[in-house]
Amino acid sequence: LAKTTQPISMDSYEGQEVNITCSHNNIATNDYITWYQQFPSQGPRFIIQGYKTKVTNEVASLFIPADRKSSTLSLPRVSLSDTAVYYCLVGLSGSARQLTFGSGTQLTVLP
Amino acid sequence: DTGVSQDPRHKITKRGQNVTFRCDPISEHNRLYWYRQTLGQGPEFLTYFQNEAQLEKSRLLSDRFSAERPKGSFSTLEIQRTEQGDSAMYLCASTSPGVTANTGELFFGEGSRLTVL
Repeated sequence: LAKTTQPISMDSYEGQEVNITCSHNNIATNDYITWYQQFPSQGPRFIIQGYKTKVTNEVASLFIPADRKSSTLSLPRVSLSDTAVYYCLVGLSGSARQLTFGSGTQLTVLP
Repeated sequence: DTGVSQDPRHKITKRGQNVTFRCDPISEHNRLYWYRQTLGQGPEFLTYFQNEAQLEKSRLLSDRFSAERPKGSFSTLEIQRTEQGDSAMYLCASTSPGVTANTGELFFGEGSRLTVL
């Protein structure tokens, strides 16, 4: 199992850039790294996915070093509405259909 | 709206009763997942379907839990003889045929919250 480790919580202020790092030391060769966002009483929502180096979309960037044992989700200029739990997932090549969520990182954006 | 739909959104039941949740995935998605989420925890994988075939089940899925996807479209999750420990949010997710299982791009519904008294 490619277990992930994330900080339990983070605080930030509006307008700042937030970086959330996830450790996944046992990532397998074929595994992708995926980040989700979840608001209270809603299902998780896909944010971004990557395999190596850097991926950027309209909401976030994902930085993955060469050894792929960690990844960093970067949220530029956060707003109050970015307050949510952020989960890092790593696909399991051995049992590819089981996608394991950890406890996530509670991001609180303050005014 | 063409997203994943779950019904009911909320269910309150007494211990020992049976409950059933329904999930309608995005229409062209052939893969369907059920997860359970308790307060303060991430979603836990329960089971997975590819079309109508149930391909994987978690050890969390006790014999009181059964899931079906009879025609490869909607799915149901039934919990028999509910216990207070079954109180949780039950989430359904789907993926398209073009997405490999490894990439993890799941589309989740809003969930069905179960409270067992």
